[in-house]
Amino acid sequence: DGGITQSPKYLFRKEGQNVTLSCEQNLNHDAMYWYRQDPGQGLRLIYYSQIVNDFQKGDIAEGYSVSREKKESFPLTVTSAQKNPTAFYLCASSIGHHPGGDTQYFGPGTRLTVL
Amino acid sequence: QKEVEQNSGPLSVPEGAIASLNCTYSDRGSQSFFWYRQYSGKSPELIMSIYSNGDKEDGRFTAQLNKASQYVSLLIRDSQPSDSATYLCAVKTGGYQKVTFGTGTKLQVIP
Repeated sequence: DGGITQSPKYLFRKEGQNVTLSCEQNLNHDAMYWYRQDPGQGLRLIYYSQIVNDFQKGDIAEGYSVSREKKESFPLTVTSAQKNPTAFYLCASSIGHHPGGDTQYFGPGTRLTVL
Repeated sequence: QKEVEQNSGPLSVPEGAIASLNCTYSDRGSQSFFWYRQYSGKSPELIMSIYSNGDKEDGRFTAQLNKASQYVSLLIRDSQPSDSATYLCAVKTGGYQKVTFGTGTKLQVIP
């Protein structure tokens, strides 16, 4: 049963805390992505990784950090430096460097709320 | 100018009608175009991708691409209440593997 999993589904964070969102895929995809979605706005790219041990900042990377130690995993840490972290966080993956390999498939998402 | 623009809607169509969703983009070099459907509170799911000018059909869905005019559209034939969702247009622009999403058009199919 192939796919992308994200955990937890809901996450509550207190002010000043760092939290880590999990994203795992068993699709053998090279590329993985993190997006943030706010009400009435489109998806905004936080970080992306095209290969293990390499990642690049997206459009709104400030206050976030990632790692890509394994092909299957791309965890996102929301740090206390992120001033407004309440949002719906979406992880995606794509085949990567192949013709037509840019189609992204999404996990179910994590809804983060700051208390 | 936004890189990818969509009318936020809501677009209301009666059941059985054709729904037409439009998207324009600013980067003339864009080569990959995607339509996603997103139900409220859920993650986006891919409807189809299109890479060449013209039409691409998949069941009740037809994507249309016109690179000269820089627009891509999605037609949904025989619209059903279950098609009620937000439809996101996505375009691979500029940077390697980077895809830019529009803000989405909310579609309401009225029974």
